[in-house]
Amino acid sequence: EDQVTQSPEALRLQEGESSSLNCSYTVSGLRGLFWYRQDPGKGPEFLFTLYSAGEEKEKERLKATLTKKESFLHITAPKPEDSATYLCAVQALTQGGSEKLVFGKGTKLTVNP
Amino acid sequence: NAGVMQNPRHLVRRRGQEARLRCSPMKGHSHVYWYRQLPEEGLKFMVYLQKENIIDESGMPKERFSAEFPKEGPSILRIQQVVRGDSAAYFCASSPDRGKSETQYFGPGTRLLVL
Repeated sequence: EDQVTQSPEALRLQEGESSSLNCSYTVSGLRGLFWYRQDPGKGPEFLFTLYSAGEEKEKERLKATLTKKESFLHITAPKPEDSATYLCAVQALTQGGSEKLVFGKGTKLTVNP
Repeated sequence: NAGVMQNPRHLVRRRGQEARLRCSPMKGHSHVYWYRQLPEEGLKFMVYLQKENIIDESGMPKERFSAEFPKEGPSILRIQQVVRGDSAAYFCASSPDRGKSETQYFGPGTRLLVL
């Protein structure tokens, strides 16, 4: 069964204090790994898709990396507006055509000014 | 370019009533997915549909839940005879026709409260 585990569950940072969020996964065959941001009361907002080990993608203060067993979301010099829950999800290679995402429980990030 | 639209945003039902949740995918998207988010839980896949077809319903409860995506109009997630345990946020996502691994874009969700 495909599984995604995110750590830590919650993280408090001071503004400007860089850190990383972890996403460990087990999947029969990886089709894609996705990072989303979710603000309270809203739907997940797409950030990145990673397809293969060694791949990296960046957007403003965020950088996502992928290995064969885990992905990291690095946050450089965060600002209070980066406070949100960050969700990791995997999509498996399947013969049946299903494209479902399997999500972790998320990391709740709080950035204090 | 409008995003995924869901309505209603909030829905209150009494036990035993029916709940109908609607989802209009992004323009040009023909794949629709429904997910449920329980308090303090992650998003859980329910069903994946294309126009007039259910592709994967492995996450749907066996009873009371059904979904459709007709040729015309929005996708509908229907919950019959709701119970308190159905209280959750229900999210719809859509993606375009298949590529390498198409990103799913989420709507704002419908928050269902069963009294």
